[in-house]
Order: sequence, then structure tokens, then C-alpha cells
Amino acid sequence: QVQLVDSGGGVVQPGESLRLSCETSGFIFRNYGMHWVRQAPGKGLEWVAFIRNDGSFQYYVDKVKGRFTISRDNSKNTVYLEMNSLKPEDTAVYYCAKGQYGSGWFGFDYWGQGSLVTVSS
Amino acid sequence: DVVLTQSPLSLSVTLGQPASISCRSSQSLVHSDGGTYLNWFHQRPGQSPRRLFYRVSNRDSGVPDRFSGSGSGTDFTLKISRVEAEDVGVYYCIQGTHWPPFTFGPGTRVDIK
Repeated sequence: QVQLVDSGGGVVQPGESLRLSCETSGFIFRNYGMHWVRQAPGKGLEWVAFIRNDGSFQYYVDKVKGRFTISRDNSKNTVYLEMNSLKPEDTAVYYCAKGQYGSGWFGFDYWGQGSLVTVSS
Repeated sequence: DVVLTQSPLSLSVTLGQPASISCRSSQSLVHSDGGTYLNWFHQRPGQSPRRLFYRVSNRDSGVPDRFSGSGSGTDFTLKISRVEAEDVGVYYCIQGTHWPPFTFGPGTRVDIK
């Protein structure tokens, strides 16, 4: 069965960095794009980043451009979110979500359990 | 960016009664490839979102048939024919036609009256 396991969250101070990981199993990882989505405490869902199946292109919501980097290691079936210059407004549960097959961009059919990132001084 | 508006934002329903949630888009969600990229999710308290429908009306595996998705262009609807206790939580729509960014609606909270 498809599984996505988020990890790497924690408490950091403003300006610090953190790397989230999402280890997957149960599907051919290299064939699927992958997303990161976040949810601030008590708020709705916000899409953060997408990476194509082969890692050739990455896309971001404007508010994280230049600070966050999505990457993947197809040999480890894992997608990452490197977060730099963190701000208090980045505090959220971060979910990875499985994208669509091949050159598709949508999907969101399976989600990780989420990883809490708290940015506070 | 495309803005999705959901209504109502909160819904209190008697068990066994129907419920309907609207998702309206600021632009047509018909893609140049002819597809319409609009999904629906359900999120129970403390859980990850679960996809219910993809591309408007395609029901995901395991989703009860009391749920239905419909719509076109800018207007979309999620309906529950008979609400059950397990249906409580927040429902979100998301568009993937005009991206980046992918945009979610604000969510509709459903509880039992």
C-alpha cells in the first residue's frame, strides 16, 4: 500500500533553517511528481511547492520563493523541503502529497501524516 | 492567482439529511487540454486530508457513493445525500488548472446538529 512518512519538523528560531523529509513506499516514486502543502494552526491548507517526477522543474508559492527548496532523491524514494530564513508565519504542519503520474501536475491522492514546524523566538 | 470561494463556510446537518457545499472559482477551470482540474478533500480533526474526488466528479476508491461531485466552468458542488457521523470535519476544494500556485478554497466545516 502507498505510504508517505513525513519527518524533520521541530522548533526553530526566526532566521534559522530546517529540512523536512518525506519517505515513500508502495508506488514507483520516480514516476510521480510530489507536492508539499502546509496548514498553519487552526487555518486552511496552502500549497507550498511541487517537483516533477524527474526533478527537472520545481515550483513554489510566491511567499516561499528564494527561501525554500524542494528536491528529491529517486534512489531513496524521498522528497525533501529545505527551509531557510524561516519566519514565524511559516509555523505550520507540513504535509507531503503524491502528485500525478509522469508529466502530470495534479494528483494529491495520498498524503503524509504531517510534520510540525514551529518558528518562534 | 485563482481564488476559490466556498459556501457555506460552516454547515450543521442532522444525521441522515443531505448536505451541499459550493466551490466557485474566479476563473474558468477548463484547461487548454480540455480537462477541468478541481479536486475535493475531507479532513477530519487531527488527520491528514483525504482526497474524495479528482477532476470534478471522479470518486476515489473507498469513498461512499452517498458523496457526489459535479460542476463545470467556475461552479462546482460537493453533495452528501445522507450525512453520517463520520462525515464531520472540513471539506476543501483545490484547483490545478491555472498554476502555480495551486489554490485551495477556505474550507467548509461540517458538524452534526
